Amino acid sequence: KAGVTQTPRYLIKTRGQQVTLSCSPISGHRSVSWYQQTPGQGLQFLFEYFSETQRNKGNFPGRFSGRQFSNSRSEMNVSTLELGDSALYLCASSLEAGGHTDTQYFGPGTRLTVL
Amino acid sequence: AQTVTQSQPEMSVQEAETVTLSCTYDTSENNYYLFWYKQPPSRQMILVIRQEAYKQQNATENRFSVNFQKAAKSFSLKISDSQLGDTAMYFCALCTGTASKLTFGTGTRLQVTL
Repeated sequence: KAGVTQTPRYLIKTRGQQVTLSCSPISGHRSVSWYQQTPGQGLQFLFEYFSETQRNKGNFPGRFSGRQFSNSRSEMNVSTLELGDSALYLCASSLEAGGHTDTQYFGPGTRLTVL
Repeated sequence: AQTVTQSQPEMSVQEAETVTLSCTYDTSENNYYLFWYKQPPSRQMILVIRQEAYKQQNATENRFSVNFQKAAKSFSLKISDSQLGDTAMYFCALCTGTASKLTFGTGTRLQVTL
């Protein structure tokens, strides 16, 4: 079974631009979560989508948004980019079939650099 | 709110030796799950081991085992017979209830040497 895939792997943008990152979960997985990883703040939860609905949201400004499609693929968008948005963005998927917590499996990440 | 604390920023172990990474956590929930993830340099995060809080038995996966002390809110990872491929950043993580939201510790950088 293919793992979680993320595109693009690397991205360079300038301040003020917007960016869209994509995540394809493991086949059959219904939940997709997004995390931001930076040297200063570590790993922080952005949001989670399940059945096309945002189920959980972390403490990030409204510039960060996401969505999930009917095939469970997810995108996250960051508008009006700031230098501090430079980070590794990780996507994770889990099965979530029985109402209990399943293990999250991570993709390779998208490295975003904001100049 | 949940917190996860890893007090060892860096550790080093010789090949074939045993090393223990520490993790403490705090949550008011009764139903929660604990994980250790490994992130090798420039490579993706992979699951090492998982522990359900309601299980008293410590989880094991080959050379990896945990010491889960629920009352003390401690969740340490023991790596036996360390291998060069174990060199990585190790993250302890907590997930409560049915929410797919992991709270991570700051990580421990483990270096396995010859």
